[in-house]
Amino acid sequence: GIQVEQSPPDLILQEGANSTLRCNFSDSVNNLQWFHQNPWGQLINLFYIPSGTKQNGRLSATTVATERYSLLYISSSQTTDSGVYFCAVETYNTDKLIFGTGTRLQVFP
Amino acid sequence: EAGVAQSPRYKIIEKRQSVAFWCNPISGHATLYWYQQILGQGPKLLIQFQNNGVVDDSQLPKDRFSAERLKGVDSTLKIQPAKLEDSAVYLCASSLEGLAGFPYEQYFGPGTRLTVT
Repeated sequence: GIQVEQSPPDLILQEGANSTLRCNFSDSVNNLQWFHQNPWGQLINLFYIPSGTKQNGRLSATTVATERYSLLYISSSQTTDSGVYFCAVETYNTDKLIFGTGTRLQVFP
Repeated sequence: EAGVAQSPRYKIIEKRQSVAFWCNPISGHATLYWYQQILGQGPKLLIQFQNNGVVDDSQLPKDRFSAERLKGVDSTLKIQPAKLEDSAVYLCASSLEGLAGFPYEQYFGPGTRLTVT
């Protein structure tokens, strides 16, 4: 089946810093979503981005489908950005979301 | 627009007991999913419904887990009997009904944290 790997596994930042999270996948995808799982366990939708670039406030994402990776950029990080970031992909063969390994982000004041 | 609702939020049971979780998807969403998330891992799909029919239950442990979606709206997931390894967060998600090969975005509920002692 498809492999979804995220890097780095852990990231510690001071408030105000910028960061880039990466998601590599091993097959062509027709769905890619980025989620933020907050400390209470809620999965919050960030982006639905099977290809191209999107921006939402301090966050932006780019998926290069032909090279099988996606990037999530967080600028001017805040303590509320802390949590685990997941990318999840769906392929033409699987019809279900497969989650990556996650990146745990901690932002300190 | 109301999000995906789940209850209860927390449940503690002893092994071999039974438990049920409830999910109400976003209004108009034909597709409903149940995921299991073990601590430190990403969510894993257990079962997917399209309206009230099962699309994929290949990863559902059918000897102890069951799920239904009556009338194509609410859904319940049951575990009977529970084992220690069932301790996890159970997440419900929903999406609009996509065409084959063109899936829609999935939205998740707050989850039910199950502890089996």
